[in-house]
Amino acid sequence: SQQGEEDPQALSIQEGENATMNCSYKTSINNLQWYRQNSGRGLVHLILIRSNEREKHSGRLRVTLDTSKKSSSLLITASRAADTASYFCATDGIQGAQKLVFGQGTRLTINP
Amino acid sequence: DAGVTQSPTHLIKTRGQQVTLRCSPKSGHDTVSWYQQALGQGPQFIFQYYEEEERQRGNFPDRFSGHQFPNYSSELNVNALLLGDSALYLCASSFVGDRSTDTQYFGPGTRLTVL
Repeated sequence: SQQGEEDPQALSIQEGENATMNCSYKTSINNLQWYRQNSGRGLVHLILIRSNEREKHSGRLRVTLDTSKKSSSLLITASRAADTASYFCATDGIQGAQKLVFGQGTRLTINP
Repeated sequence: DAGVTQSPTHLIKTRGQQVTLRCSPKSGHDTVSWYQQALGQGPQFIFQYYEEEERQRGNFPDRFSGHQFPNYSSELNVNALLLGDSALYLCASSFVGDRSTDTQYFGPGTRLTVL
């Protein structure tokens, strides 16, 4: 079974708009990571946020983490056609050890 | 600097057969994890190898086994293949000694189809 749940399962927006994806998880974590996957290929690491951090930025990406609600959000600003992909959150348990538990992902489509 | 590499890219097998998938970690990494991703699902953790030993295992049957070599590369073996084993198999590498970053870097995956 998977710990995380992404919401929405699918999102379609116009190029230039912002895209927000949410992730919820069930158990205490060491960190939370977001990955992108294009057309069933390998996962590309986007950003990692630790359990003692609340917000992190990387380029057009902004990630927030609320450990009290066991939830995270990924915001992509000024979306581009190349952002079309599936986005997954993955959590690393409190003991570390780097076993990642993934959600089912959000399928993002950017329309030109 | 080569990233994580996996071979083969695609593989077609029939039920009951055995398969071996291979992974070379990113340079400087010492830990390899394997994940199975069914169509439309998120990846699921199979197991992790460090110092040539299985360190953690997910909820997968004993038909799934692995190995890590002294050069940190790894193999995933699946015996007695079932139709349900059809999936994308992903390898990820990391450096366990550096807790300043827990990022795992993924390879392109091996697409296994069981007929």
